[in-house]
Amino acid sequence: DADVTQTPRNRITKTGKRIMLECSQTKGHDRMYWYRQDPGLGLRLIYYSFDVKDINKGEISDGYSVSRQAQAKFSLSLESAIPNQTALYFCATSDLRETQYFGPGTRLLVL
Amino acid sequence: GESVGLHLPTLSVQEGDNSIINCAYSNSASDYFIWYKQESGKGPQFIIDIRSNMDKRQGQRVTVLLNKTVKHLSLQIAATQPGDSAVYFCAENRSSGGSYIPTFGRGTSLIVHP
Repeated sequence: DADVTQTPRNRITKTGKRIMLECSQTKGHDRMYWYRQDPGLGLRLIYYSFDVKDINKGEISDGYSVSRQAQAKFSLSLESAIPNQTALYFCATSDLRETQYFGPGTRLLVL
Repeated sequence: GESVGLHLPTLSVQEGDNSIINCAYSNSASDYFIWYKQESGKGPQFIIDIRSNMDKRQGQRVTVLLNKTVKHLSLQIAATQPGDSAVYFCAENRSSGGSYIPTFGRGTSLIVHP
């Protein structure tokens, strides 16, 4: 969905490095989410934010942090990347109906 | 703990057949359910939703059925087409402070043979 963009689309990094994944949306939604997707495990929620001043941990927040810089921007950081953080990462927004609108994903490989 | 799961990880059908994808949920407090479709290389996309005060909802070629008694959700796709090939996820939404937080199932891969 072009209304939700993620950068970079692919990233290779080394163990111990700090990286940031960025998400921007033009849908005007207050609610934003970060998920990771692993084969056979579906989508798991990392962090979510209901407005600029609101940050909440999801199911698997350890090793991650987020920043909600503005209504339209929600970034995910890995302070010290480790190989088991290799995954596909999705940003999403939601409207008042709670339908999620996903970005195209960022494929991360931690060596 | 509470969870959402799918019975069949892979479903293969012939073009033109009807497809049924199933989902079991265990959180009796969930009252809003959504089906998403994820095509290769893309993020999940909304297909159809249903609230717990309904047991059936129809869209274009898709129908969602909800059986609260046995905590079961299904997605029916009529006249399945090759373009329907994708991974399908059900998501249950549980209330958290007045808002809904989704929990996704593992997904079912639908393969449509021409």
